[in-house]
Amino acid sequence: AQTVTQSQPEMSVQEAETVTLSCTYDTSENNYYLFWYKQPPSRQMILVIRQEAYKQQNATENRFSVNFQKAAKSFSLKISDSQLGDTAMYFCAFTRRNSGNTPLVFGKGTRLSVIA
Amino acid sequence: DAGVIQSPRHEVTEMGQEVTLRCKLISGHNSLFWYRQTMMRGLELLIYFNNNVPIDDSGMPEDRFSAKMPNASFSTLKIQPSEPRDSAVYFCASSSSGLKGYFGPGTRLTVL
Repeated sequence: AQTVTQSQPEMSVQEAETVTLSCTYDTSENNYYLFWYKQPPSRQMILVIRQEAYKQQNATENRFSVNFQKAAKSFSLKISDSQLGDTAMYFCAFTRRNSGNTPLVFGKGTRLSVIA
Repeated sequence: DAGVIQSPRHEVTEMGQEVTLRCKLISGHNSLFWYRQTMMRGLELLIYFNNNVPIDDSGMPEDRFSAKMPNASFSTLKIQPSEPRDSAVYFCASSSSGLKGYFGPGTRLTVL
């Protein structure tokens, strides 16, 4: 079974600064996807960034980037130039990559507060 | 693209009542997932379907919970009878090969 661990229950960062959220996972699979989701107070689950395990290049979406270390089973999220609107819960998630679609396994989340 | 649609967005009911949550998939997606989010347990999978067929319902907590997918674009999650411990946010998500994890806005259920 796959597990996802987010070791930082809460973090804070000053506006315009950079913050990194940690995520590790455990799997025996070789092909999989990793995700970061943002959940603001509205409760909407917003896909922030997605990484395919077979791609060596780290995914980037504007101010959001990941550091994917496959051998270490680590998938951290870096938020640059933090904005007040980045305040939210952030969830790391894993799913196997196969011919059919499979569900996401989530970490417990990290609550990020961006401080003005 | 309207995204995944869930209804109702909020539901308040009394213990013992039947509750039906609804979900419409993104057009062209062939998989549907029901998740539940609580403070204690976080996000957990209840059941998922591929091409209208239930694949894994091991996360359904009890026989009081049932889910159906009567057609390729629509699903219901029913709780009968409801209990206070069922209070949670219920998410529906859809996906297609190569595209993963698009969530609906969720239904916040409160059982009094």
